[in-house]
Amino acid sequence: QVQLVQSGAEVKKPGASVKVSCKASGYAFTGHYIHWVRQAPGQGLEWVGWINPNSGGTDYAQKFQGWVTMTRDTSITTAFLEVKRLSSDDTAVYYCGRLSGSYIDYWGQGTLVSVSS
Amino acid sequence: QSALTQPRSVSGSPGQSVTISCTGTSSDVDAYNSVSWYQQHPGRAPKAIIYDVTERPSGVPDRFSVSKSGNTASLTISGLQAEDEADYYCSSYAGTYPVIFGGGTKLTVL
Repeated sequence: QVQLVQSGAEVKKPGASVKVSCKASGYAFTGHYIHWVRQAPGQGLEWVGWINPNSGGTDYAQKFQGWVTMTRDTSITTAFLEVKRLSSDDTAVYYCGRLSGSYIDYWGQGTLVSVSS
Repeated sequence: QSALTQPRSVSGSPGQSVTISCTGTSSDVDAYNSVSWYQQHPGRAPKAIIYDVTERPSGVPDRFSVSKSGNTASLTISGLQAEDEADYYCSSYAGTYPVIFGGGTKLTVL
C-alpha cells in the first residue's frame, strides 16, 4: 500500500536550518510529484511547493522562494524539504503529499518543526 | 495569490445537511475544474474527499457532494454524522500558482 513516512519532530533555534524527509513506498516514486504543505498551530493549510521526483524539478510558492529547498534521492525513494534561516513564524507541522492528477491523494503523517530560542 | 474564501465555521445536527462555500476568482476556481476538498480531524493529516470538482476518492461516501458555479464551489454534507466533525479545506489549481487553499471551515455537529 502507498505510504509516506516523515521524519520526527524537530526543535530548532532561530536562524538555524531544518531538513525534513518523506520516505515513499508502495508505488513508483518517480511517477508522482511530491507536494509540501505546512500548517502553523491553529491555522490553515499553506502550500510550500512541489518537486518532480523524476527530474528533480521544483516549484516553490513565492513567499518561500530563496529560503526553502526541495530535493529527492530516488535510490531511497525519499523527498526532502530544507527550510533555512528559521524564525518563530516557521513553527508548524510540515506535510508531504503525493499528487495524483490534480489532488493530493496520500499524505505523510506530518513533522512538527518548533522554532524557539 | 490570495487564499480561497471559506466561512470560518458551520454547524448542523445529526442527520441534517450543511453546505460549505469556497469562493475564488476567475484565475482559479472559475478557470479550472481542479477544485478539491480535504477533511482534517484534530491532530491528523488532511484526507481528500473530493477532487476535480465533483469526483470522490474510493471509500468516500456519497453523502459528500460538490457543486460549482462560476468562481464558487460548494461542498454539501448530507446526513450529518458525528464523525463528520472536522476542519474542511478547499483547494484549487491556479495556473502559475499551482496550489492555493481556502482558509478552512470548522464543522461542528451539534
